Amino acid sequence: GENVEQHPSTLSVQEGDSAVIKCTYSDSASNYFPWYKQELGKRPQLIIDIRSNVGEKKDQRIAVTLNKTAKHFSLHITETQPEDSAVYFCAGRKGSNYKLTFGKGTLLTVNP
Amino acid sequence: DAGVIQSPRHEVTEMGQEVTLRCKPISGHDYLFWYRQTMMRGLELLIYFNNNVPIDDSGMPEDRFSAKMPNASFSTLKIQPSEPRDSAVYFCASSLGTGSQYFGPGTRLLVL
Repeated sequence: GENVEQHPSTLSVQEGDSAVIKCTYSDSASNYFPWYKQELGKRPQLIIDIRSNVGEKKDQRIAVTLNKTAKHFSLHITETQPEDSAVYFCAGRKGSNYKLTFGKGTLLTVNP
Repeated sequence: DAGVIQSPRHEVTEMGQEVTLRCKPISGHDYLFWYRQTMMRGLELLIYFNNNVPIDDSGMPEDRFSAKMPNASFSTLKIQPSEPRDSAVYFCASSLGTGSQYFGPGTRLLVL
């Protein structure tokens, strides 16, 4: 089955700096890659996603890039703010199957 | 528009008792997913339904776990008998086709 690895497990940045979280996947048939943000005690919330026919997608301060050849994708957060502090999860899914396989998560701390 | 609704939000029970978790997906969504989240194992997919039919239950840990979806607006996840190692947060999520999955608030289960 699909295996998604996520790095780093923890990330601490200063307010205003950029943060980058990277994920790799094993199944070359995977074609959909969402990112979720989970605040403490809350539900995972979708923040951005990308499909395999696109190399990059941006939404305000958040961007995701996908390298299909290398089988990795990354989340980029620019101008970080304290409210960006949360656990971020990447996931992958094959088109023939609706199962999402999640990475282990990255705890992002933005220090004021 | 209401999101995914789950009940109860918290459940504390004793080992051996039956536990029933409930989920109402977003109206119109045709896929429903049950996840379990623990520190050790992260977010794991237990089972998912399409148009009320179970499609993949390979993530259900053992026969003590069962899930049903009697109609398009209701699903249950039952654990009988419960064990301390079942303690976790259980999330329900729904999607429309291959669209984004939206999570409910979760049920925090503690089995003593």
